[in-house]
Amino acid sequence: IQLTQSPSSLSASVGDRVTITCRASQGISNYLAWYQQKPGKAPKLLIFDVSILQSGVPSRFSGSGSGTDFTLTISSLQPEDFATYHCQQLNSSPQTFGQGTKVEIK
Amino acid sequence: QVQLQESGPGLVKPSETLSLTCTVSGGSISGYYWTWIRQPPGKGLEWVAYIYYSGSTNYNPSFKSRVTISVDTSKNQVSLILTSVTAADTAVYYCARAGATVNRERYYLDYWGQGILVTVSS
Repeated sequence: IQLTQSPSSLSASVGDRVTITCRASQGISNYLAWYQQKPGKAPKLLIFDVSILQSGVPSRFSGSGSGTDFTLTISSLQPEDFATYHCQQLNSSPQTFGQGTKVEIK
Repeated sequence: QVQLQESGPGLVKPSETLSLTCTVSGGSISGYYWTWIRQPPGKGLEWVAYIYYSGSTNYNPSFKSRVTISVDTSKNQVSLILTSVTAADTAVYYCARAGATVNRERYYLDYWGQGILVTVSS
């Protein structure tokens, strides 16, 4: 299953609302996660099963969607949120990731 | 706090075998799935393989028969072997625990090692 994220990169300011989309090449039920990765660091799990917030993740992060179209929303972008975001599907093997969306400072 | 630490050679010659070990501390290997993910420089994430603590495995078909994952519960370690490496196998290799779940249907990657850069070059 191919996952396509859009946009590939975006520039935003602190306080902005940011939305990243992940589209699957076929339906993946609700088996979708989002990870945040900062340069030189391992990815960090933010959201799983489309909308479940991982423990310790700020509530400004939220996920939604169903079937083939999914969204990660950051309600008010903070300085520590500038990073690359990856979606992942676990509906069928092999599990796959999107190509990543880089969120940069405007 | 669960911690994962990858170890192994940083440089491997083409056609040779890559061997990596992930040592888990602060928690037990038992009861969880353990995964290897890799990331070529400047590129996205790619799932390589996973293993359940009891030994059942699943591999990414794109690696064909080049990859083997194993677990040693007595040492709290997970290992990865990748044979016949080429420059395309140059990547940061991450070990991760698949422990986040809602209803035990799917397990997401909740703990990661820092990663180890493996370069394939003569």
